[in-house]
Amino acid sequence: GAGVSQSPSNKVTEKGKDVELRCDPISGHTALYWYRQSLGQGLEFLIYFQGNSAPDKSGLPSDRFSAERTGGSVSTLTIQRTQQEDSAVYLCASSLVSARSDGYTFGSGTRLTVV
Amino acid sequence: GQNIDQPTEMTATEGAIVQINCTYQTSGFNGLFWYQQHAGEAPTFLSYNVLDGLEEKGRFSSFLSRSKGYSYLLLKELQMKDSASYLCAVPNDYKLSFGAGTTVTVRA
Repeated sequence: GAGVSQSPSNKVTEKGKDVELRCDPISGHTALYWYRQSLGQGLEFLIYFQGNSAPDKSGLPSDRFSAERTGGSVSTLTIQRTQQEDSAVYLCASSLVSARSDGYTFGSGTRLTVV
Repeated sequence: GQNIDQPTEMTATEGAIVQINCTYQTSGFNGLFWYQQHAGEAPTFLSYNVLDGLEEKGRFSSFLSRSKGYSYLLLKELQMKDSASYLCAVPNDYKLSFGAGTTVTVRA
């Protein structure tokens, strides 16, 4: 597609439920990133996918968080047994090869509210 | 690791100039990015500096001093639509590390 597409744009869930967030990157972009942005905070790196390489999961805050990328394209971020502190905007970004000189193109994000 | 500092908030008047500073500490340097983020929207790319000096793009300019670990984003002839958060970011290997962002409020 023309840009990075994320769905849903907003999600309200009850504490303890699982949620799935979807990201469809720009066609041809091999690198895909998930970030979390809490109110008044900077962007916190969560996970990085590059082609068929093993993902860098070093930013995932707990084992309740997982992500996969199927066929080198669409990615899904799953949060199990959601907690109130998981409330944030989850941003997906893609890059042609790497962030070093290409920078990112961001999606509009999914605003997750855990009640 | 990365340590990126920028002011939390700045306020300026329409038509004025505002300079947003960013200092960084990195284990290796591969350029510096500035992004603009309007409330409720995705961050969008503004500039990328890898060499020292000033790069001008219309009303927005970005400056880099690698020896000082310092950059600034200069917004000239401020317009109300420039009210947004401005994020400084540096590559950390293959990903970007971001500062907490500077919220700029433009007043009439």
